[in-house]
Amino acid sequence: GAGVSQSPSNKVTEKGKDVELRCDPISGHTALYWYRQRLGQGLEFLIYFQGNSAPDKSGLPSDRFSAERTGESVSTLTIQRTQQEDSAVYLCASSLVQGLKNIQYFGAGTRLSVL
Amino acid sequence: AQKVTQAQTEISVVEKEDVTLDCVYETRDTTYYLFWYKQPPSGELVFLIRRNSFDEQNEISGRYSWNFQKSTSSFNFTITASQVVDSAVYFCALDPFSGGYNKLIFGAGTRLAVHP
Repeated sequence: GAGVSQSPSNKVTEKGKDVELRCDPISGHTALYWYRQRLGQGLEFLIYFQGNSAPDKSGLPSDRFSAERTGESVSTLTIQRTQQEDSAVYLCASSLVQGLKNIQYFGAGTRLSVL
Repeated sequence: AQKVTQAQTEISVVEKEDVTLDCVYETRDTTYYLFWYKQPPSGELVFLIRRNSFDEQNEISGRYSWNFQKSTSSFNFTITASQVVDSAVYFCALDPFSGGYNKLIFGAGTRLAVHP
């Protein structure tokens, strides 16, 4: 597609339920990133995928958070046993990795509300 | 520590006014990139500019200009003759060499409201 696509755009769930958020990167982009944006705050890095390399999971806040990516395509961010503090906008970005010159292009995000 | 500070939480201006958004960063890396992104109400971050740490030349793109000063660790963004369509949240971000150039560190953002 023309840009990074995320679904759903909005998700409301009950505390304790699991949720899956999907990201379709720009075609041909080898790198994919997930960020979390809490209300009124900047983005926090969660996880980074680059090709077939092991993902950088250093930003995941707890073991309830996990993410997968199939090859260089779709990624899914899963939050298990959701808590109210997980309420945020989850943004995905993708980039070409050309030496040190990558620019991350972002989707519109998934707004997660945990009741 | 790696950190980006955008001290201005909200700015309100009238159309055609000039406005400067401040960004101060902290890093021990000598090699890094700095970015500005715009987040309109639709939510999608729009890339505006990337600047590497070895290039302190100011840049102008239409009504937008950026002033990078390593001596004060600042990368300020000026919009000249603001328009209503400039209303958005603007984020400054740091991409340090030590992070492998894959972990953008964002400021909290500045919400700009341009009134007609």
